[in-house]
Amino acid sequence: GESVGLHLPTLSVQEGDNSIINCAYSNSASDYFIWYKQESGKGPQFIIDIRSNMDKRQGQRVTVLLNKTVKHLSLQIAATQPGDSAVYFCAEINFNKFYFGSGTKLNVKP
Amino acid sequence: SQTIHQWPATLVQPVGSPLSLECTVEGTSNPNLYWYRQAAGRGLQLLFYSVGIGQISSEVPQNLSASRPQDRQFILSSKKLLLSDSGFYLCAWGTGSPILISSYEQYFGPGTRLTVT
Repeated sequence: GESVGLHLPTLSVQEGDNSIINCAYSNSASDYFIWYKQESGKGPQFIIDIRSNMDKRQGQRVTVLLNKTVKHLSLQIAATQPGDSAVYFCAEINFNKFYFGSGTKLNVKP
Repeated sequence: SQTIHQWPATLVQPVGSPLSLECTVEGTSNPNLYWYRQAAGRGLQLLFYSVGIGQISSEVPQNLSASRPQDRQFILSSKKLLLSDSGFYLCAWGTGSPILISSYEQYFGPGTRLTVT
């Protein structure tokens, strides 16, 4: 399968600070990318997506950046809150197949 | 609105016993359906996906199988469970087409935690 990895397995941030979670992907032909949030014992929840013809997309408190030159994806969370504590996965989509990274655990310290 | 159901929520089965996990989707038609497995502290591994009734694609060799007897029903099975089959099994549905570039959002069910003893 595809190789989607994450630079940091665990990230700790102070409440109110911004968080940046990184992801590297391997297939330059992948045309779609998604960030998911998974709370303990639950299924992943869609956060934000981006197509390969874009380099930035903003949502509510979240921004995804795509750098196709180095095959890198990042998720930025503004003003991180305790409720943001979870594992975050990136996924690359290629021909309707999803390939997920192992995830980054985000710990938000009060 | 669309809803995805999975059951059971938890399951403890002995090695060598059969398995049947069921997933159903409501509120959409002709969805793409997926089975994933997530080992503790690991990412999601795609096991099977289906773009229509009776159409199953397997991503990894294993002793599991999948079937799609109805449009919105996806079943994960095994004839004889192994210890290595333990994990968190997630069913998901999506609307992406393998031909047309459309939304690839995937929606996940609540998952089944399987422990093989």
